[in-house]
Amino acid sequence: QTVVTQEPSFSVSPGGTVTLTCGLTSGSVSASYYPSWYQQTPGQAPRALIYSTNTRSSGVPDRFAGSILGNIAALTITGAQADDECDYYCVLYLGSGISVFGGGTRLTVL
Amino acid sequence: QLQLQESGPGLVKPSETLSLTCTVSGGSISSNSYYWGWIRQPPGKGLEWIGSIYYSGSTYYSPSLKSRVTISVDTSKNQFSLRLSSVTAADTAVYFCARRAHTPIGFARFDFWGQGTLVTVSS
Repeated sequence: QTVVTQEPSFSVSPGGTVTLTCGLTSGSVSASYYPSWYQQTPGQAPRALIYSTNTRSSGVPDRFAGSILGNIAALTITGAQADDECDYYCVLYLGSGISVFGGGTRLTVL
Repeated sequence: QLQLQESGPGLVKPSETLSLTCTVSGGSISSNSYYWGWIRQPPGKGLEWIGSIYYSGSTYYSPSLKSRVTISVDTSKNQFSLRLSSVTAADTAVYFCARRAHTPIGFARFDFWGQGTLVTVSS
């Protein structure tokens, strides 16, 4: 079974930069997996931040950037703000109609 | 603006079947550009994709849930539904419905979500 891996938690200082990662237990992540990233605050539905590796959804500030770094997908947040503190999920499309979510990263800004 | 709304019982007994419906408004479910799916989130845990359906009825399921899941679509009502059989306490979760793009731009992204509905499995 394919498992998508993310750091369970990460911490960043206000104004700092953080890179969250999204990998596969077997194999490398590439653009052909159409990596997307979602932001979820408590009690809310997830919000799409990034799709197709590096395209920002409408209204998402350019502080959020997606990329492929080697064999993983990455979400980089620059100039971290207090309201960036929430959960972040990556999703990979495995083909044949199947999507898989990563376990999520809880980001703390302090 | 597209909106999705989940509905269904908030409490299901163990071994019974969980049934939820997602009503789509502000757009047609019969679009060849999108799939319609279900995602769940157990309390305090991460998101899990359950499956998706195309307006034609083609379905795609998570391998880990495939034996218990059925997703169907009713284009006349602009709705799609989830049935999860033989539920246990481990199926207690917030269930979200969402649209997944099948377009060259934004392929496979979940761009619109319902607010989610909590389903508790308990006797």
